[in-house]
Amino acid sequence: EIVLTQSLATLSVSPGERATLSCRASQSVSSNLVWYQQKPGQAPRLLIYAASTRAPGIPARFSGSGSGTEFTLTISSLQSEDFGVYYCQHSFTFGPGTKVDI
Amino acid sequence: QVQLQESGPGLVKPSQTLSLTCTVSGGSISSGGYYWSWIRQHPGKGLEWIGYIYYSGSTSYNPSLKSRVAISLDTSMNQFSLKLRSVTAADTAVYYCARDVRTTIGGYDSWGQGTLVTVSS
Repeated sequence: EIVLTQSLATLSVSPGERATLSCRASQSVSSNLVWYQQKPGQAPRLLIYAASTRAPGIPARFSGSGSGTEFTLTISSLQSEDFGVYYCQHSFTFGPGTKVDI
Repeated sequence: QVQLQESGPGLVKPSQTLSLTCTVSGGSISSGGYYWSWIRQHPGKGLEWIGYIYYSGSTSYNPSLKSRVAISLDTSMNQFSLKLRSVTAADTAVYYCARDVRTTIGGYDSWGQGTLVTVSS
């Protein structure tokens, strides 16, 4: 069973700054990695799939990269509405999440 | 734009069966290519996959829950349902239904709003 690790539990960032979140897989998942954003009281929202493809309607400030076991979600210039918890996912497994505090 | 909506009791007694239904609108549950899924989130915790059902009726469940879970389809109502037997307080969580597009994006592109189920006497 593949385990996903998100090394940062919390990331504190100021508006306008760049945020870099990581996700590591216990074995190669090729490019089969998905990112979600979840705000309090809401369902997760699909951001990125296939490691680097933005979902429809997702702003260009969100980008994903990586392959194999190391993946990164970058928010180029953080906006106030970007606070929340970010999860990575592969197949039936989710990472523990990184909370982005503005 | 497909939409999903969970419904069911918000309170279940220990040892009883948790039953939830997900109503799908804006698309047919009988369309191939989608896996209709249940995911839960314990309070303040991460996401846990429960299982899915395909339009053909084939299912797959989380091994840790497999002995207690059943997911079924009602194509006439465009719904799918979750039953979780012998619940305990550890099953208290927000339950989401979601559309799994694993054949293309490998993830969940549509989610219900979630419903909190509390297990308590």
